[in-house]
Amino acid sequence: EAGVVQSPRYKIIEKKQPVAFWCNPISGHNTLYWYRQNLGQGPELLIRYENEEAVDDSQLPKDRFSAERLKGVDSTLKIQPAELGDSAVYLCASSLFGSYNEQFFGPGTRLTVL
Amino acid sequence: SQQGEEDPQALSIQEGENATMNCSYKTSINNLQWYRQNSGRGLVHLILIRSNEREKHSGRLRVTLDTSKKSSSLLITASRAADTASYFCASYNQGGKLIFGQGTELSVKP
Repeated sequence: EAGVVQSPRYKIIEKKQPVAFWCNPISGHNTLYWYRQNLGQGPELLIRYENEEAVDDSQLPKDRFSAERLKGVDSTLKIQPAELGDSAVYLCASSLFGSYNEQFFGPGTRLTVL
Repeated sequence: SQQGEEDPQALSIQEGENATMNCSYKTSINNLQWYRQNSGRGLVHLILIRSNEREKHSGRLRVTLDTSKKSSSLLITASRAADTASYFCASYNQGGKLIFGQGTELSVKP
């Protein structure tokens, strides 16, 4: 069974440039998550989708970050414009519908903003 | 803010020794989970222990949970060099958000 797929794996951009990350969750997983992980820290949730609905985006910096999951399957996370402090690993995860389940993570995208 | 705090932040042992990592959390939980992250990779789920369980085993892993102290421990027995990774505890808060600790960086030397 294929796991969570993310692309690209690495991205280097200059500040003020836009960037987008893509995620394809495990087939049949209704819930999709985007996390940001700073160096030496645990992941922090940015947004959670149940199918195509964003049910928790309280930690998403909405002035520059946006996300979509139009058909309830794959998802895109965008930053525009990027700032130096956005350098981090962006992780996508998925799980079966419902609370308290284990989550399955993709390999992440390591973003460096210069 | 992170709900979990882990101790120690870093641990270095020899192959064959046991490794113990501790985690404390702040609010009541439904379950507590442990994840492993190899350098530059995503997280892998290791084990889940429910709030009504006190101990759980999976292979060389043993997890304990003390809800009265709001703490959990992960024991890896007979460690191997391949166990070198960062280990995170995580629990869901009341809003259904999975909150991770800052992690313990384990180094197992051959």
